[in-house]
Amino acid sequence: ELKVEQNPLFLSMQEGKNYTIYCNYSTTSDRLYWYRQDPGKSLESLFVLLSNGAVKQEGRLMASLDTKARLSTLHITAAVHDLSATYFCAVDTVYGGATNKLIFGTGTLLAVQP
Amino acid sequence: DVKVTQSSRYLVKRTGEKVFLECVQDMDHENMFWYRQDPGLGLRLIYFSYDVKMKEKGDIPEGYSVSREKKERFSLILESASTNQTSMYLCASSHRYPSSYEQYFGPGTRLTVT
Repeated sequence: ELKVEQNPLFLSMQEGKNYTIYCNYSTTSDRLYWYRQDPGKSLESLFVLLSNGAVKQEGRLMASLDTKARLSTLHITAAVHDLSATYFCAVDTVYGGATNKLIFGTGTLLAVQP
Repeated sequence: DVKVTQSSRYLVKRTGEKVFLECVQDMDHENMFWYRQDPGLGLRLIYFSYDVKMKEKGDIPEGYSVSREKKERFSLILESASTNQTSMYLCASSHRYPSSYEQYFGPGTRLTVT
C-alpha cells in the first residue's frame, strides 16, 4: 500500500528565513504533485514533477523530485507572510491504465511570522 | 480556466438523513473524484469515476455511494448520514491518463451532521 509522509506537520517560521518541507513515499512513482490550501479554501496546484531529478520554481518556492530516494522537497526561500497556508504533496498511482489516483500526505501547516 | 463547482459550500444535516453532494466540471474531463479531508489525515479518496456510469471504490467507500449519469456531473450520496461523516468534501476532475494527469479541485463542501 502506498503511503505518503510529510514532515514537518507544522512549521512556524520568521519572514526572511529559508526552510524545507519533505515528502517521502513508500513505493515507486514517477509523478508527484504539490498543492497549496488556504484556510477554508480548496486546493491549488503548485507544481507537477514528472521525472527523476525534476526541479520547478515559482517565486519563493522550489520543488524537486528524487524518485530513487522516493523523496520530494519543497524549499521556501526568504519566506513572506503570504506563503502562510497548508501544503500537501501527493503521489500518483495509475489505476487500470486510464485513471490516476492521488495519495496525499497529511499536509504541512506553514505559518510565517512577521 | 478549469472550473469545478460544488453544489453547496456549507451543509448541515441530521443523523439518518440522505445527503446528496453534487460536483460539476466544465473541462470535458473523463475522470472525477470525491475526497474527504479531515485534520491530521490529509485527503482520502472515497470514490472515483473514469467514465459515465463507471465508478470505482477509493480508500474509504463505506457509508457512501456515487452516481455519474453525465460526463460533467458526479454526485456523492450519503445514504444515512452519521456524525462521523462530518467533514470537508472535495471534488476533483482530470483528463484520462496519460494525456493529462493533474487533478483540479472544487471549492469544497463543509458538511456537518448533527
